[in-house]
Amino acid sequence: GAVVSQHPSRVICKSGTSVKIECRSLDFQATTMFWYRQFPKQSLMLMATSNEGSKATYEQGVEKDKFLINHASLTLSTLTVTSAHPEDSSFYICSARDRVAGEATGELFFGEGSRLTVL
Amino acid sequence: QKEVEQNSGPLSVPEGAIASLNCTYSDRGSQSFFWYRQYSGKSPELIMSIYSNGDKEDGRFTAQLNKASQYVSLLIRDSQPSDSATYLCAVLPSGGSYIPTFGRGTSLIVHP
Repeated sequence: GAVVSQHPSRVICKSGTSVKIECRSLDFQATTMFWYRQFPKQSLMLMATSNEGSKATYEQGVEKDKFLINHASLTLSTLTVTSAHPEDSSFYICSARDRVAGEATGELFFGEGSRLTVL
Repeated sequence: QKEVEQNSGPLSVPEGAIASLNCTYSDRGSQSFFWYRQYSGKSPELIMSIYSNGDKEDGRFTAQLNKASQYVSLLIRDSQPSDSATYLCAVLPSGGSYIPTFGRGTSLIVHP
């Protein structure tokens, strides 16, 4: 299957600082990437849809000024958690859809996830 | 609101048994259906896609789709302890959004 790389896998930061998470599709191009957040023993929660070359679409209740998303190329999307607080501690996961095959199949491939701990 | 429902479990089966995981969905126009496996502390991994009514087999996994009844299931034959994970059902809704709706997942425990 297609490979999506997410970095860093774990990050610990102090309250008030910003953290950037990268999501890369390694062997395919992705015009669309999705960012999810998952709390322990909870389901995936879609935060936003990242579209290459345009603004991200945020789900209701997700603060776009706090969770900055940039999708500058067909293989890279970044999520920046600004002014992080302990309640932002969570497992953040990106996924990507193949630009060529994905529109027909709908298959998503997930990155490894990034576990954020805000002290 | 388009919904995907799964029993949260846990579903506990002995090693070597068949595990049956079920999922129902509300959007009758949905055309694409997926099963993802998520180990504890890890991200989801796509294991099966199904688009047509009937069965689709891949190794020990069989996905079954019944659009008339709006359910999709996943059978795991010869279950192994390594199959212990949460299984997420995802449905691509109609309407062209291309954003899949995920169920909450069913926890499967395969005990030796």
